[in-house]
Amino acid sequence: GEEVAQTPKHLVRGEGQKAKLYCAPIKGHSYVFWYQQVLKNEFKFLISFQNENVFDETGMPKERFSAKCLPNSPCSLEIQATKLEDSAVYFCASSLLGTGGLEQYFGPGTRLTVT
Amino acid sequence: GQQLNQSPQSMFIQEGEDVSMNCTSSSIFNTWLWYKQDPGEGPVLLIALYKAGELTSNGRLTAQFGITRKDSFLNISASIPSDVGIYFCAGQLKSNSGYALNFGKGTSLLVTP
Repeated sequence: GEEVAQTPKHLVRGEGQKAKLYCAPIKGHSYVFWYQQVLKNEFKFLISFQNENVFDETGMPKERFSAKCLPNSPCSLEIQATKLEDSAVYFCASSLLGTGGLEQYFGPGTRLTVT
Repeated sequence: GQQLNQSPQSMFIQEGEDVSMNCTSSSIFNTWLWYKQDPGEGPVLLIALYKAGELTSNGRLTAQFGITRKDSFLNISASIPSDVGIYFCAGQLKSNSGYALNFGKGTSLLVTP
């Protein structure tokens, strides 16, 4: 599509439950990025993919977070055993490598509330 | 990630006024991007800058990539009510490890008619 699509819009989970978020990048974009936006507007980079390959996972809390981008499927971000501090808006962005860098286009986000 | 200092934190102006905001970093970036975020929405890309010294316009918006590659500013001329929102700067290091964006903490803009 012409826009990054994210589902669901809202997700509520009890502490300890699993949460799974989905992202469909803009058609033709080969890079996908996941960011977490917490209170006070701070963005934190989590992980990026080049097609189905992990490109940079330096921001991922490896104990409970995992992500995949499989061919012909939406990308996913999964949180096992959610904690209260995981409550945030999770954004997916996609990009097409240009001559100078990557212009990243963001989806509408998934708001995760852990109770 | 790298720390970006964005200022001012908030601005309250009258319609028609010009606005300026800036971002500084202790690190050199290869790319500077400016985004606008409305409540409940994702950031929307406004301007992308790729070369030191580059000055780029998008309608009433003008942004510059600082000569030192450690700063950038965004100007909005003749503000209108729909300019209300939070503006974020983002710097990008092009490296073998990836293209993750480092964000400022945002400038909240309020415009009164």
